[in-house]
Amino acid sequence: QQQVRQSPQSLTVWEGETAILNCSYEDSTFNYFPWYQQFPGEGPALLISIRSVSDKKEDGRFTIFFNKREKKLSLHITDSQPGDSATYFCAAGGGNYKPTFGKGTSLVVHP
Amino acid sequence: ETAVFQTPNYHVTQVGNEVSFNCKQTLGHDTMYWYKQDSKKLLKIMFSYNNKQLIVNETVPRRFSPQSSDKAHLNLRIKSVEPEDSAVYLCASSPGTGSQNTLYFGAGTRLSVL
Repeated sequence: QQQVRQSPQSLTVWEGETAILNCSYEDSTFNYFPWYQQFPGEGPALLISIRSVSDKKEDGRFTIFFNKREKKLSLHITDSQPGDSATYFCAAGGGNYKPTFGKGTSLVVHP
Repeated sequence: ETAVFQTPNYHVTQVGNEVSFNCKQTLGHDTMYWYKQDSKKLLKIMFSYNNKQLIVNETVPRRFSPQSSDKAHLNLRIKSVEPEDSAVYLCASSPGTGSQNTLYFGAGTRLSVL
């Protein structure tokens, strides 16, 4: 049972464009949603996170939009840079011991 | 700045051999994890320890065994490796046990089983 789904599986944008990465979940007890960024040869690292009491979280060029009713969230990367090329994981947490990860979106930003 | 250290970076071995991977965190966290990342980058939790106590033990083959000497160290041993064990093994730590805690990952150990 896949509780966290991500789309698209891969995404290519040009430098300067906005990349939109989508995530949805099934378990209504989830209330914490971190996004992790992973570069080749490295482990994932926390990029930005949001709690379900908020509908938007901004950190520089990275913004999470959260829709609790629809159980959906998205990560917007504005003014995408080639250095943003990485795999992005949406995860969900809600009180159990196991953070649940999506399958990831591979982003490529062309200069 | 790296705070979760894994060794070795790479390991190549043959089917049936035993391997051990080491992990140390300098963040002072109470909880550590082992994740397996396959060739499609899917992350699957294997084990989680809190203060040397096993708290998460997913359905993994019995040839996998975690070993914790203290809360800063969590090693992984694989007895008699199989080809499907080829993957990147990621160690992580977090301040607490709940799934609302941020995970801090190491760079991983890439295992190739010939």
